[in-house]
Amino acid sequence: AQTVTQSQPEMSVQEAETVTLSCTYDTSESDYYLFWYKQPPSRQMILVIRQEAYKQQNATENRFSVNFQKAAKSFSLKISDSQLGDAAMYFCAYRRTYKYIFGTGTRLKVLA
Amino acid sequence: DGGITQSPKYLFRKEGQNVTLSCEQNLNHDAMYWYRQDPGQGLRLIYYSQIVNDFQKGDIAEGYSVSREKKESFPLTVTSAQKNPTAFYLCASSIVAGFDEQYFGPGTRLTVT
Repeated sequence: AQTVTQSQPEMSVQEAETVTLSCTYDTSESDYYLFWYKQPPSRQMILVIRQEAYKQQNATENRFSVNFQKAAKSFSLKISDSQLGDAAMYFCAYRRTYKYIFGTGTRLKVLA
Repeated sequence: DGGITQSPKYLFRKEGQNVTLSCEQNLNHDAMYWYRQDPGQGLRLIYYSQIVNDFQKGDIAEGYSVSREKKESFPLTVTSAQKNPTAFYLCASSIVAGFDEQYFGPGTRLTVT
């Protein structure tokens, strides 16, 4: 069965600095998709970034980028120039066909 | 605006009562999902439906029931058999296949006392 592991329950970053959130997953499939979601205090889940497994190029969305290492089954999220609004829970998710599997989340605190 | 609505935002019930959480989407998505979120446990799948009149149990379906009579609607009933019903419930939808993320509703916080 597929699993998604986020080993950092909580992280802190100084405003304007860079932080990397870790995610590893386990699967025997070769074709799948990976996502990072943000859940702010409002608890509305917001998509941050997504990655197709067959693409070697790492996805980038403005200040957010991923380091996708398929062989290592690693999918980390880098947030550059951190802002106070980045403070939230971040969930890594794996999708294979209709099923999504989520990690337990990392709480990111941004210090002014 | 396209999106997913869940109502109500906060719901209170007495132990032993069944309660139904509403989820409606106008994104024309075939697939819909219900998740439960507890502190430190991420999102756990309760039920999902890929098409009208069909649904499948997720990882923690015991004590819950669903229906999918319309494409737009996927209500979740928390029955009195659910031992720990107090939680935050999220509804989501997506296209069935392909490269697309799930879209989430704002959630319902259920408190049972």
